[in-house]
Amino acid sequence: EDQVTQSPEALRLQEGESSSLNCSYTVSGLRGLFWYRQDPGKGPEFLFTLYSAGEEKEKERLKATLTKKESFLHITAPKPEDSATYLCAVQAGNQFYFGTGTSLTVIP
Amino acid sequence: DAGVTQSPTHLIKTRGQQVTLRCSPKSGHDTVSWYQQALGQGPQFIFQYYEEEERQRGNFPDRFSGHQFPNYSSELNVNALLLGDSALYLCASSLGLAWETQYFGPGTRLLVL
Repeated sequence: EDQVTQSPEALRLQEGESSSLNCSYTVSGLRGLFWYRQDPGKGPEFLFTLYSAGEEKEKERLKATLTKKESFLHITAPKPEDSATYLCAVQAGNQFYFGTGTSLTVIP
Repeated sequence: DAGVTQSPTHLIKTRGQQVTLRCSPKSGHDTVSWYQQALGQGPQFIFQYYEEEERQRGNFPDRFSGHQFPNYSSELNVNALLLGDSALYLCASSLGLAWETQYFGPGTRLLVL
C-alpha cells in the first residue's frame, strides 16, 4: 500500500535553532516528491519538487533533499515567520498522496 | 492575478443533505483537482478534471462527483452527507494535468451536523 509518513508530528524550535523534518514514503513508481507549507486557515503553498535521489533544492532558509526512501526538509536559523505546518506529498503513477504534516513552531 | 478562488468559505449542512462547492482556477490554468482535508490530517486527493472530464480519481465513493465548465471552473458535489464528510475542501489548479506547482485555494470549510 502506498504510504507517506512525516515526523515529527510537531516541533518547537527557538529562533535560530536549525533542525530537519522527515518524510518517508513507500510508493510504487515515484514520479515526484513535493513539499508544501500550510498556514492556519489557508491552502497549502508550494515550496519544492524533487524528482530523483540525490537531488537538492534550496529557498531562503529551507533546503529539501531526497533519497530513495525519504526526504528531509532542513530549516536553517528559523525565524518566527517560518511557523506553519509543512506537508510532504508524492506523485505515484496517477495518484497524489499527502503525509499528515509536521507542525513547526518557532519561538522568538 | 486573483489566484485560485473557492466559494463558499464556510458551510453548515445536516446529514443526508447534498452540497455543491465551487472553484475558479488561477488565470492560465486549465486543470482542477479537489482534495479533502480532515482536521489534523493531510489533504486526500478526490479527483482531477481536465478538458471537462474526470481524469484521475482517488479512493472516494461515488457520492463525490464533480464537473468542469468550459471556462475551466469546477464544482464538487457531495450527496447523502455523512458526519465524516466534515472537512476542509481544497481546490488546486495547474496547467495541463501537471502536478508540479499546483496552486491551492483557501478552501471551503464544511461542517455536517
